[in-house]
Amino acid sequence: QKEVEQNSGPLSVPEGAIASLNCTYSDRVSQSFFWYRQYSGKSPELIMSIYSNGDKEDGRFTAQLNKASQYVSLLIRDSQPSDSATYLCAVQSGNTPLVFGKGTRLSVIA
Amino acid sequence: DAMVIQNPRYQVTQFGKPVTLSCSQTLNHNVMYWYQQKSSQAPKLLFHYYDKDFNNEADTPDNFQSRRPNTSFCFLDIRSPGLGDTAMYLCATSRQRNQPQHFGDGTRLSIL
Repeated sequence: QKEVEQNSGPLSVPEGAIASLNCTYSDRVSQSFFWYRQYSGKSPELIMSIYSNGDKEDGRFTAQLNKASQYVSLLIRDSQPSDSATYLCAVQSGNTPLVFGKGTRLSVIA
Repeated sequence: DAMVIQNPRYQVTQFGKPVTLSCSQTLNHNVMYWYQQKSSQAPKLLFHYYDKDFNNEADTPDNFQSRRPNTSFCFLDIRSPGLGDTAMYLCATSRQRNQPQHFGDGTRLSIL
């Protein structure tokens, strides 16, 4: 059974701080890793994808991947109240279906 | 400009009354997916189409079916909805199966 684990939160950070969201996965052959943001009552929105070890930066977002530790993280710099949402980690190996974590709820306090 | 469009956004139906949800895409993606998401849970894949090839997940209930008449459209049919089928239904597309998926706005379905 392929599993993706995330702390459900809520993770509360003050406005302007760095939010750090973590995800671990069980399938060692996973190749593709995605972070989705989901506002309450809305659908998931893709914000980052990462495929190789290391960091990938896009604006205020940085995804970090460590395949040896089976760990992927998302950093949000200069957190804003509008970043308050649930962040879903999703992992895929080859053409098999995406496996989603249950998500971490982030709350940015103004 | 919405690229994956789901209709309706909200649907209320009676227990046992068939319901159809629709999804259309302007991305010309090969793959279309249907997910069910209940409150505070991860999206659960029901099935997907790779072009015309239908792929059903092993634990998808038999009263859930899907049709993809052409590249742009995909439908989710629930033949006899039960109270437990109340959920958000999400359609997603991807160019290929190993590429990022893009979601529509979802249909919130309530069974009374």
